[in-house]
Amino acid sequence: GDSVTQMEGPVTLSEEAFLTINCTYTATGYPSLFWYVQYPGEGLQLLLKATKADDKGSNKGFEATYRKETTSFHLEKGSVQVSDSAVYFCALIKAAGNKLTFGGGTRVLVKP
Amino acid sequence: NAGVTQTPKFQVLKTGQSMTLQCAQDMNHNSMYWYRQDPGMGLRLIYYSASEGTTDKGEVPNGYNVSRLNKREFSLRLESAAPSQTSVYFCATKEAGLETQYFGPGTRLLVL
Repeated sequence: GDSVTQMEGPVTLSEEAFLTINCTYTATGYPSLFWYVQYPGEGLQLLLKATKADDKGSNKGFEATYRKETTSFHLEKGSVQVSDSAVYFCALIKAAGNKLTFGGGTRVLVKP
Repeated sequence: NAGVTQTPKFQVLKTGQSMTLQCAQDMNHNSMYWYRQDPGMGLRLIYYSASEGTTDKGEVPNGYNVSRLNKREFSLRLESAAPSQTSVYFCATKEAGLETQYFGPGTRLLVL
């Protein structure tokens, strides 16, 4: 079946550091890929998405590129802030599908 | 607009007790979902409803039942709670034909 694997956390960084969270997936066909973010005490919010190979999703300074050859969708941000402290989830949905498959989540803690 | 709302926010149950988690949305979305979130396991789909009047099992349906009361409301029932059902439960909605899901703030459930 479909699966999403992302690096385990927690990831602890200083403010203005560079952040990378790795995400790889296994799925048949051409899924759409997502990054969701969960701030403390809240539900998940869509951060960015990409629907086909080589697409780049971006939002709030975060970027991720859909790499079909490596089945990856790594999340990056060039200069993190304390307010970026959250849990980040990589996810996929199959074309015409109805169900998201999530990775295990990566907790990021940014210290001042 | 409230978006997706869930009640209660927090609940403590004893083993064997029953309860219903409520979810309501004012986004006029067709599809609704129930997930559970456990440490290191991401979100796992319990049940979903692609449209009013239909429900389907997800990845981890055992021990749960659902009711799609109308287009706005989708409830999750635990008939006889077990400690293994201690988790955070999220409701989500999605518009037909689109891929992005919108999440509620979650219900934290502790079963003793």
